[in-house]
Amino acid sequence: GEEVAQTPKHLVRGEGQKAKLYCAPIKGHSYVFWYQQVLKNEFKFLISFQNENVFDETGMPKERFSAKCLPNSPCSLEIQATKLEDSAVYFCASSRRKMNTEAFFGQGTRLTVV
Amino acid sequence: GENVEQHPSTLSVQEGDSAVIKCTYSDSASNYFPWYKQELGKRPQLIIDIRSNVGEKKDQRIAVTLNKTAKHFSLHITETQPEDSAVYFCAAHVSAGGTSYGKLTFGQGTILTVHP
Repeated sequence: GEEVAQTPKHLVRGEGQKAKLYCAPIKGHSYVFWYQQVLKNEFKFLISFQNENVFDETGMPKERFSAKCLPNSPCSLEIQATKLEDSAVYFCASSRRKMNTEAFFGQGTRLTVV
Repeated sequence: GENVEQHPSTLSVQEGDSAVIKCTYSDSASNYFPWYKQELGKRPQLIIDIRSNVGEKKDQRIAVTLNKTAKHFSLHITETQPEDSAVYFCAAHVSAGGTSYGKLTFGQGTILTVHP
């Protein structure tokens, strides 16, 4: 598609429940990035993929966060045992190349942990 | 890793005035600098970008300048309009080497309000 598609748009989870977010990158884009935007607006990088391979996972809280990009499937970001501080908007972005190229963002998934 | 500082955090101008937002970065290997506009509840959208081989780029009312020596870059919006009101983010990207390789490091954002 011509847009990065993220689902769901909103997700509410009780503390301790699992949350799973999905992202379909633009067709032909090889790189996928996940960012977390918290209430103060700041973007925190979580993880990036080159096709189905993890490219950079330096931002991932490894204990509870995991992510995958499998062939012919949307990419996913999963949070096990959600905590209140996981409440944020999670953006996925894709780009054609990793060098000097525009990253296109999805509409985001607003996760609220109650 | 890369660190990007953005100022001011809020900016209020009258319609027709100019607005300037400034960013500094720490990693001298950064070579791509996009600016994103994010309206309330929406996705960030690229409004202009600059690569390290140029010092200035302009697109209608928007311009960006880059000073590689001082490691800072700025967004200039002229003849501001109420629809320019949004949060603006600068970002830096390292495309080869370094610990920030491949990802965007964002500034903290500037809330721009243009009063009619």
